[in-house]
Amino acid sequence: QKEVEQNSGPLSVPEGAIASLNCTYSDRGSQSFFWYRQYSGKSPELIMSIYSNGDKEDGRFTAQLNKASQYVSLLIRDSQPSDSATYLCAVNGVSWGKLQFGAGTQVVVTP
Amino acid sequence: DGGITQSPKYLFRKEGQNVTLSCEQNLNHDAMYWYRQDPGQGLRLIYYSQIVNDFQKGDIAEGYSVSREKKESFPLTVTSAQKNPTAFYLCASSSTGGVREQYFGPGTRLTVT
Repeated sequence: QKEVEQNSGPLSVPEGAIASLNCTYSDRGSQSFFWYRQYSGKSPELIMSIYSNGDKEDGRFTAQLNKASQYVSLLIRDSQPSDSATYLCAVNGVSWGKLQFGAGTQVVVTP
Repeated sequence: DGGITQSPKYLFRKEGQNVTLSCEQNLNHDAMYWYRQDPGQGLRLIYYSQIVNDFQKGDIAEGYSVSREKKESFPLTVTSAQKNPTAFYLCASSSTGGVREQYFGPGTRLTVT
């Protein structure tokens, strides 16, 4: 079983709609959760961090965390073509410094 | 501007040659990391360092070596012992306190033929 799992996609989303990305993790002791956006050929860019159960909003992005279900999600509201990218979920577990990454979900926003 | 630089952006080498990838940061971060990314896969940790003159193996350290002589610098050497060295190499850094968010450099794309 992979430690961090994401649907690979591609997730096709009409422009203006909500994109919903999911991530599950296996280490119940995980403390910190991150979403990175990676454009093709570029390096990952940190877009959201979440540490407590519940929702965290930043602009058009909302991260949701449910530690009991070992589940973290990212919502992108009013999706734009510039949101087309691969979104990586990363989890910081008990072992310091060792972020575990999912394989990423490719999002394609269609005009 | 604070940030992480990696050089070169593209690197081509013949099989059997060692190659060193550069990573420099001016974010005053204590911790630095090297990851490898292969097409369609997530990032895998090669080595990380929490402090100068100390570093630990990550999940796929075989065939790689690092040094941390300065806080700002964490070069990675890909040795001839690495069986499949062609990949996208990413350097990151973070603080060692608080939430430890990792920030990435632009990456080096290594091709070995």
